[in-house]
Amino acid sequence: DSGVTQTPKHLITATGQRVTLRCSPRSGDLSVYWYQQSLDQGLQFLIQYYNGEERAKGNILERFSAQQFPDLHSELNLSSLELGDSALYFCASSRDGTGELFFGEGSRLTVL
Amino acid sequence: AQTVTQSQPEMSVQEAETVTLSCTYDTSESDYYLFWYKQPPSRQMILVIRQEAYKQQNATENRFSVNFQKAAKSFSLKISDSQLGDAAMYFCAYRPVRGTYKYIFGTGTRLKVLA
Repeated sequence: DSGVTQTPKHLITATGQRVTLRCSPRSGDLSVYWYQQSLDQGLQFLIQYYNGEERAKGNILERFSAQQFPDLHSELNLSSLELGDSALYFCASSRDGTGELFFGEGSRLTVL
Repeated sequence: AQTVTQSQPEMSVQEAETVTLSCTYDTSESDYYLFWYKQPPSRQMILVIRQEAYKQQNATENRFSVNFQKAAKSFSLKISDSQLGDAAMYFCAYRPVRGTYKYIFGTGTRLKVLA
């Protein structure tokens, strides 16, 4: 158990819909990262937050948005969903001093 | 730009044998971390081993060890006495010590372990 909690674990929805993925980082970790992994692909970096502020942005679509709340949990919002958005979405957290990145179990999104 | 390259999409190893997975990276930073993550069929991302660039000694974790060549920007993973449970995707990753703390991942190497 990495200590990073993601909900929901599985989500099935239709094209055009909107979903929210939630992440609770490990206790004490200020940084939260979101990654997208399509089937048999590598990890695509979406966005990073540090203590509530956006710190780095990757290949995140305009239809996607994220935020980190004062209690440090984070949400990734995906809207106007397309078939190609079907993927495993990982949240990860880190404590900057150690460098190690801890991953949640992922939220598997299926868009039909 | 910082990049991580894993040139072996797939590798196979016989059970109990040794295998080495390759990783090269490009950076102008002098201080950084390097990692190997394992992703088994469950798709959970598991940290295998971590190396700090300022340390000359290669990291070791039980059957897993790295060959870190800073000048060559190479960071290979050696798995000794391979077990069936080692079958997974292995990702090499890089993160600078300072800056945005953005992690860069390679495209992965799928390791098959043959009984």
